[in-house]
Amino acid sequence: GQQVMQIPQYQHVQEGEDFTTYCNSSTTLSNIQWYKQRPGGHPVFLIQLVKSGEVKKQKRLTFQFGEAKKNSSLHITATQTTDVGTYFCAGPTSGTYKYIFGTGTRLKVLA
Amino acid sequence: NAGVMQNPRHLVRRRGQEARLRCSPMKGHSHVYWYRQLPEEGLKFMVYLQKENIIDESGMPKERFSAEFPKEGPSILRIQQVVRGDSAAYFCASSPARDPSYEQYFGPGTRLTVT
Repeated sequence: GQQVMQIPQYQHVQEGEDFTTYCNSSTTLSNIQWYKQRPGGHPVFLIQLVKSGEVKKQKRLTFQFGEAKKNSSLHITATQTTDVGTYFCAGPTSGTYKYIFGTGTRLKVLA
Repeated sequence: NAGVMQNPRHLVRRRGQEARLRCSPMKGHSHVYWYRQLPEEGLKFMVYLQKENIIDESGMPKERFSAEFPKEGPSILRIQQVVRGDSAAYFCASSPARDPSYEQYFGPGTRLTVT
């Protein structure tokens, strides 16, 4: 079945360092969404990418959708302690309305 | 506009009891998804419902689990005869439309502990 993998699984960075998480799908995606989940919290929608090669920015966050629409990345510039949490990508399964969530990348930022 | 509401936030059940989890979607949303999250793991899709309809239940175990979304009232995820392996966080999310391009709004979750 369709799988969505993310690497790395964990990342510890010093405050101020950059961070990148990569999302890879086994199948082509019509769109991809990114969510953030703080420790003990619930997932919160960050952004959606639809077009091949699309790049979107939100302040220090840069999201990219691959040309083949099978991979995506989230890059955070100059991390802050408020960036702590787990970042998930999610894509719809082909022919259905359900989303497959990636395995997630847990980010810890050391002050 | 109130967000997605879930209750209870924490639920403790003994093995063999029933767990009933409730989810009220955002106002105007008629589509609800249920997910299960084990500690340190990702979100696993369980079921997708519209009002009075189960659209996709392919992620839900065939036995002991059921879900409904009646015309009036919240969506309910029911787990009968709970076992320790059912301990997890259960999140529901709502969406305004069937189109998967819409974002999902998640509730705060119900943390189920089976003793």
